[in-house]
Amino acid sequence: ETGVTQTPRHLVMGMTNKKSLKCEQHLGHNAMYWYKQSAKKPLELMFVYNFKEQTENNSVPSRFSPECPNSSHLFLHLHTLQPEDSALYLCASSREGTGSTEAFFGQGTRLTVV
Amino acid sequence: AQSVSQHNHHVILSEAASLELGCNYSYGGTVNLFWYVQYPGQHLQLLLKYFSGDPLVKGIKGFEAEFIKSKFSFNLRKPSVQWSDTAEYFCAVTGPGSARQLTFGSGTQLTVLP
Repeated sequence: ETGVTQTPRHLVMGMTNKKSLKCEQHLGHNAMYWYKQSAKKPLELMFVYNFKEQTENNSVPSRFSPECPNSSHLFLHLHTLQPEDSALYLCASSREGTGSTEAFFGQGTRLTVV
Repeated sequence: AQSVSQHNHHVILSEAASLELGCNYSYGGTVNLFWYVQYPGQHLQLLLKYFSGDPLVKGIKGFEAEFIKSKFSFNLRKPSVQWSDTAEYFCAVTGPGSARQLTFGSGTQLTVLP
């Protein structure tokens, strides 16, 4: 266990559905991240939160909407997704978001859009 | 923008063979370098990291990596692999300022045959 927990582990949703991914960390970290992992491609950073404030949004389509109510919880709200959004979505946390400390990853949510 | 290249997409070795996985990055400034491993069905976990000091860093499970600044490289090595090393290996880099978030390579799948 890494101390970063993601739910659900698997999710199948239709293109018109609305769902949310949840991430929780109890490591006392101040930075949290969403990554997208697709086959044969590098992990893509989607969003970064530092001290609950969004500090990076890497040109992610608006059908992905993050929420960080506190430094321990991070959500990714999904709506009107496309089949190409099917991927493994990873949450990570680090002590701070300056890149000088390691990131701890959750096991991911395997998302399939049908 | 910085990028990370892992030239080997799939490496197949027999047990006891020596391993070297290549990693090159494009960023020219001060960098922090990481190798992460993802065992089948498990989360990404840190193998080793380089921030400063001795360019030869040792990580868990007998892995080591050498930072060669002139070659922009951070290759991962292990003298004798085991079947349990079968996993996907990711090189990642962070830099200062706008490059402070982890940038990952596309990963190398290592298969060790018993």
